[in-house]
Amino acid sequence: QEKVQQSPESLIVPEGAMVSLNCSFSDSASQSIWWYQQHPGKGPKALISIFSNGNKKEGRLTVYLNRASLHVSLHIKDSQPSDSAVYLCAVRATGGNNKLTFGQGTVLSVIP
Amino acid sequence: GPKVLQIPSHQIIDMGQMVTLNCDPVSNHLYFYWYKQILGQQMEFLVNFYNGKVMEKSKLFKDQFSVERPDGSYFTLKIQPTALEDSAVYFCASSFQQDTQYFGPGTRLLVL
Repeated sequence: QEKVQQSPESLIVPEGAMVSLNCSFSDSASQSIWWYQQHPGKGPKALISIFSNGNKKEGRLTVYLNRASLHVSLHIKDSQPSDSAVYLCAVRATGGNNKLTFGQGTVLSVIP
Repeated sequence: GPKVLQIPSHQIIDMGQMVTLNCDPVSNHLYFYWYKQILGQQMEFLVNFYNGKVMEKSKLFKDQFSVERPDGSYFTLKIQPTALEDSAVYFCASSFQQDTQYFGPGTRLLVL
């Protein structure tokens, strides 16, 4: 059964800082990794996904995937107070009917 | 972006009663999902549904749980009878194909 671990549990940064969030997973054959953002009282919102080893950039977001080390990271450039939320790493297994296995999340606070 | 609605937002019921959680998925989506999140724990997959059938269910999807989407209306999760450990936030999600899942805001269920 896939296991997903995120670190750190929480993070406080000043506005404008670069944010780095980490996620480890247990199955190197996992098909894809997704990052979701969740504000209090809301459902998760998909931010970015990655399928292949390497990196992918979308706006202020960059995600790095290393299948050999079973690690994926999300980097947020020029963080804003509106980025304050819980960030969830989710892994989709191969042949898993699009089932997502979530980590416990990282709580990000960006201070103005 | 695409919106998934969930009704009701909160529900309080007595143990042993039946409850139905309703999800209004994105209009052209074909795949539907339920996830469960107990307070302070990570979100966990319950079940997914396509073409009128359950594709996969987890160990959390007890015999007391059932899902259906009669005639393209709401996608529902029914629990009958409820137990104390069913208290959680239930998130519905939908996707067009087996790709990005769009989540609703959740239904907060409290079983007394």
